[in-house]
Amino acid sequence: GENVEQHPSTLSVQEGDSAVIKCTYSDSASNYFPWYKQELGKRPQLIIDIRSNVGEKKDQRIAVTLNKTAKHFSLHITETQPEDSAVYFCAASGAGSYQLTFGKGTKLSVIP
Amino acid sequence: EAGVAQSPRYKIIEKRQSVAFWCNPISGHATLYWYQQILGQGPKLLIQFQNNGVVDDSQLPKDRFSAERLKGVDSTLKIQPAKLEDSAVYLCASSFRTGAGELFFGEGSRLTVL
Repeated sequence: GENVEQHPSTLSVQEGDSAVIKCTYSDSASNYFPWYKQELGKRPQLIIDIRSNVGEKKDQRIAVTLNKTAKHFSLHITETQPEDSAVYFCAASGAGSYQLTFGKGTKLSVIP
Repeated sequence: EAGVAQSPRYKIIEKRQSVAFWCNPISGHATLYWYQQILGQGPKLLIQFQNNGVVDDSQLPKDRFSAERLKGVDSTLKIQPAKLEDSAVYLCASSFRTGAGELFFGEGSRLTVL
């Protein structure tokens, strides 16, 4: 089955700096890659997603890039703010199964 | 619109006891998922329903876990007997249809097994 590795496990940045979280996946047939944000004690919520026919997608301060050849994708947050502090999970969904396999998460701390 | 509802939010039981969790998905969402999230890890899929049929339960420990989705709406997840390693947050999620798209999660049910 699919295996998703996520790095780093923790990340601290100064407010206003950029943050980058990277994930790799094992199943070359995977074609959907969402990112979820989970604040402490809250439910995971989708913040951005990308499909395998697209290399990059942006939504205001958040962007995701996908390299199908290398089987990795990354989340980029620019101009970080304290409210960006949370755990971020990447996930991958294989063609046909549509089941999401999640990474272990990255705890992002934005220091004011 | 109302979100995914789950109950109870918290449950503490002794090992070998049983527990049941309930989930009500977003109205009209045909697909329902149960995930297990152990502290410090990402959610792990236990079972996926499409309407009232099981799509995948390959990662459900069937000797102790069971789940059903009667009438294709509400769902219950049961653990009997519980083990210490079952301590986790059990997340229910729903989506409009089966296919690659957004999952809407509930707040989760936190289980502590002593």
